[in-house]
Amino acid sequence: LAKTTQPISMDSYEGQEVNITCSHNNIATNDYITWYQQFPSQGPRFIIQGYKTKVTNEVASLFIPADRKSSTLSLPRVSLSDTAVYYCLVGYSGNTPLVFGKGTRLSVIA
Amino acid sequence: SAVISQKPSRDICQRGTSLTIQCQVDSQVTMMFWYRQQPGQSLTLIATANQGSEATYESGFVIDKFPISRPNLTFSTLTVSNMSPEDSSIYLCSVLTNSNQPQHFGDGTRLSIL
Repeated sequence: LAKTTQPISMDSYEGQEVNITCSHNNIATNDYITWYQQFPSQGPRFIIQGYKTKVTNEVASLFIPADRKSSTLSLPRVSLSDTAVYYCLVGYSGNTPLVFGKGTRLSVIA
Repeated sequence: SAVISQKPSRDICQRGTSLTIQCQVDSQVTMMFWYRQQPGQSLTLIATANQGSEATYESGFVIDKFPISRPNLTFSTLTVSNMSPEDSSIYLCSVLTNSNQPQHFGDGTRLSIL
């Protein structure tokens, strides 16, 4: 399974756009890129998933360049409630369980 | 998405005892997994719970320590056996409803061993 590298932590002020970049140099042809959010005392919650180019939903956008060796999760206008750990995962979207990296701890400051 | 319920949500146990954690899903799912999250750490996959057969364990985890059952498509249990303080963690159940959907997680069982 492809290994991912992301910043350990990030700080942002409320109302700003936050971009978290994840590197996955060994991504395989069949692999999808999935991002999860985890609050304390809760299980990870699915945010967004993509294969290439750009994916957008009501929560976030995911940008994937043509070589797919990295991806960027974009959170528009963050609020204090977006303070959480964000995990980037790469794997085949089939029956294979996800393997978690260390994640990025995002702290949103008022 | 599937609703996943884990019981108990937390427990405090004595060293040397065993605890069984239950994972109940409100709909049939294709795959069920168990993860462990040690304090301040990321999630580590323990095993894949296979319906009607022995679970598939990841490196570093063995059946004698973490026996798993999955009697049907909506239920699984994980037992943490002969517990020691090093087993103090959050144990999370995760499911795949089908191959085209993302994995979903329960809120975990917070286990403390004294």
